[in-house]
Amino acid sequence: KAGVTQTPRYLIKTRGQQVTLSCSPISGHRSVSWYQQTPGQGLQFLFEYFSETQRNKGNFPGRFSGRQFSNSRSEMNVSTLELGDSALYLCASSLGTGGSLSSYNEQFFGPGTRLTVL
Amino acid sequence: AQTVTQSQPEMSVQEAETVTLSCTYDTSESDYYLFWYKQPPSRQMILVIRQEAYKQQNATENRFSVNFQKAAKSFSLKISDSQLGDAAMYFCAYRSEETSGSRLTFGEGTQLTVNP
Repeated sequence: KAGVTQTPRYLIKTRGQQVTLSCSPISGHRSVSWYQQTPGQGLQFLFEYFSETQRNKGNFPGRFSGRQFSNSRSEMNVSTLELGDSALYLCASSLGTGGSLSSYNEQFFGPGTRLTVL
Repeated sequence: AQTVTQSQPEMSVQEAETVTLSCTYDTSESDYYLFWYKQPPSRQMILVIRQEAYKQQNATENRFSVNFQKAAKSFSLKISDSQLGDAAMYFCAYRSEETSGSRLTFGEGTQLTVNP
């Protein structure tokens, strides 16, 4: 079974532009979560989507948005890019969401998209 | 809000020796889950071990084991018989059982070096 895939793997943008990152979960997984990883702030939760609905949202400005499609693939969009948005963006998928710990909600991470804002 | 703290930015160990990575957390919840993730240079996050807070028995996965002290809110990872492939950044993470879906709160990470 294929793992979580993220495209593109690397991206270079300039300030003020917008960017869209894509995440394809493991087949059958319905939950996709997004995280931002930076040297200064570490790993921070962006949002989670489950069955096309945003279930949780982290403390990020409205420039960060996401969506999930009926096939569970998810995209995140960052508008009006700032230098501080340079980061590794990770997505993780699981069969389900929340609840007691089980294989149902074990998260599997993708390789990440490295975004550089110049 | 929950917080996770890893007080050791870097650790090193000799191959075949044992090393312990520390993690403390703060929460007012009684039901939650704790994890250790490994992030090698490839940046792919890999789940190492997990622990349910209601279980008193410490989790073990082959050479990896945890020391879970719920009252002290401590969750350390012990790696026995360290191997060169264990070199990576290790993250401690918390997930609420009640409120936050799949959301993970991560610590700052500990960079582990394994010396041959």
